[in-house]
Amino acid sequence: EVQLVESGGGLVQPGGSLRLSCAASRFIFSSYWMSWVRQAPGKGLEWVASIKQDGSEKYYVDSVKGRFTISRDNAKNSLYLQMHSLRVEDTAVFFCARALRHCSGGSCFDYWGQGILVTVSS
Amino acid sequence: EIVLTQSPATLSLSPGERATLSCRASQSVSRYLAWYQQKPGQAPRLLIYDASNRATGIPARFSGTGSGTDFTLTISSLEPEDFAVYYCQQRSNWPPWTFGQGTKVEIK
Repeated sequence: EVQLVESGGGLVQPGGSLRLSCAASRFIFSSYWMSWVRQAPGKGLEWVASIKQDGSEKYYVDSVKGRFTISRDNAKNSLYLQMHSLRVEDTAVFFCARALRHCSGGSCFDYWGQGILVTVSS
Repeated sequence: EIVLTQSPATLSLSPGERATLSCRASQSVSRYLAWYQQKPGQAPRLLIYDASNRATGIPARFSGTGSGTDFTLTISSLEPEDFAVYYCQQRSNWPPWTFGQGTKVEIK
């Protein structure tokens, strides 16, 4: 079964930086769009960013543009989210998600990691 | 940005009953709508994509209908494990991909 395991979360002060990682296994990582989706405590889901198989296309929700960068290393079967200038409102569980191949642009998500908590607080 | 509005916010039903969840889009999304189930402390699970296609391994009691702006997720006979929060998500106007606010299906 597909496995996605996030790491790198934790407590960070406003204005700080954090890098999330997602280790993928049991599928051909380089063949899929990948995405990050977040969920603030007690709230709904919010798509954050998506990246094409070869990294040539990347998309972001407006609220993170210029602050977050999605990337991937297909040789390491890993997805990343570099987050800078973090705000209190970025506090959330961040999920790594694989895109269903049928869905262009990485636009729907068939497998998810268990999530990693990022807390932005002073 | 396309806004998805789910109703009701909470649905109180008993096992064996039929559940009908609604998702309305602020503009047409054609059939590019998905449904997810999320249980407390767990990641979401894809149930339906493109309005009516069940994802791999999803039981036949889950079905999706609709197109344009109005969509429905139906659970024909609730099993104990179906009590959860359900989200719709559009992929028509991209990006951003947007989710509804969720419908909680709780045990009556």
